[in-house]
Amino acid sequence: QKEVEQNSGPLSVPEGAIASLNCTYSDRGSQSFFWYRQYSGKSPELIMSIYSNGDKEDGRFTAQLNKASQYVSLLIRDSQPSDSATYLCAVNNFGNEKLTFGTGTRLTIIP
Amino acid sequence: DVKVTQSSRYLVKRTGEKVFLECVQDMDHENMFWYRQDPGLGLRLIYFSYDVKMKEKGDIPEGYSVSREKKERFSLILESASTNQTSMYLCASRAISYEQYFGPGTRLTVT
Repeated sequence: QKEVEQNSGPLSVPEGAIASLNCTYSDRGSQSFFWYRQYSGKSPELIMSIYSNGDKEDGRFTAQLNKASQYVSLLIRDSQPSDSATYLCAVNNFGNEKLTFGTGTRLTIIP
Repeated sequence: DVKVTQSSRYLVKRTGEKVFLECVQDMDHENMFWYRQDPGLGLRLIYFSYDVKMKEKGDIPEGYSVSREKKERFSLILESASTNQTSMYLCASRAISYEQYFGPGTRLTVT
């Protein structure tokens, strides 16, 4: 079982709709959770961090964390063509210097 | 804003050459990381450093070494480049909150 799992996609969403990206993780000791956006040929860019259960909103982005169910999700409201990218989920266990990355979900926003 | 820079965006080297990739961060972060990213394989950790002159192997250290003589600078060395080291190399710097910030990446081609 992979430590961090994401649906590879591609996920196609009409412009203006809500895009929902999901990530599950296996280590119950995980403490910190991150979403990165990566455009083709570019490096990952941190867009959201979440550390406690519940929702965290930043502009059109909402991260949701449920530690009991071991999943973290990213919602993108009012999706724009510029949101088309691969989204990487990353998880950290307290005291571990490293992040564990999922393999990413490719999102395409259809105009 | 965190700034992580890498010495080259594109690099072409011949098999057997010694290759140096350099990364510099300006946020006084203690932890720095080198990854490679290949299609279908995701991000794989090569080495990381948690302090000057301190280093730890990641998941795929074979064929690589690192150097950290100053806090802001972390170098990746390919002792004798091989074609299977053709990849995108990404450096990251980690904040105390465990967020990792990536440089722009170096696309290395070994011929």
